[in-house]
Amino acid sequence: GDSVTQMEGPVTLSEEAFLTINCTYTATGYPSLFWYVQYPGEGLQLLLKATKADDKGSNKGFEATYRKETTSFHLEKGSVQVSDSAVYFCALGPDTGRRALTFGSGTRLQVQP
Amino acid sequence: DARVTQTPRHKVTEMGQEVTMRCQPILGHNTVFWYRQTMMQGLELLAYFRNRAPLDDSGMPKDRFSAEMPDATLATLKIQPSEPRDSAVYFCASGLVLSQNSYEQYFGPGTRLTVT
Repeated sequence: GDSVTQMEGPVTLSEEAFLTINCTYTATGYPSLFWYVQYPGEGLQLLLKATKADDKGSNKGFEATYRKETTSFHLEKGSVQVSDSAVYFCALGPDTGRRALTFGSGTRLQVQP
Repeated sequence: DARVTQTPRHKVTEMGQEVTMRCQPILGHNTVFWYRQTMMQGLELLAYFRNRAPLDDSGMPKDRFSAEMPDATLATLKIQPSEPRDSAVYFCASGLVLSQNSYEQYFGPGTRLTVT
């Protein structure tokens, strides 16, 4: 069935380091892909999305490119801040036979000053 | 700034009591979801409504959980009777499905439920 696999966390980085959080998916059809972020004590917030192959989603310095050939949607940021500490979720969008978002297990990012 | 609202934000109750959680979706959205989040299981989809009709509640324990949308501005999730294993954060989300490639989903702040 459809699924999303994210790298295990926590990911611990120093401020201004480069961030990559890997996400790969298995899906039928050509779903949209999303990254959501959850700050402590809050709900999930949409961070960025891409709707078709080779699209790049970007927001707040984060980027992810929809790679159909490798079925991946890795999240990157060139220079992380302490305020980026959160849990990041990769998700597949709805498609034929799949009514709702399919979420990965989440990756916790801890950024140290 | 349209947001999904949930009440209550926190609920502590004793085992066996009824719990009702409420959600107000973003005006104009045609889909509503209920999720449960725990450390062990992560984020689980419990139920899904489109245009107020329940489309999928396969993730929900049927014997004690029920989800309804009495009108377009209110979704409810009830647990009766509650059990300690129901302790979790329950999220409501709403979204607007325009096409397969035009879809966004917005989450509420959650209800943290503790059943003792």
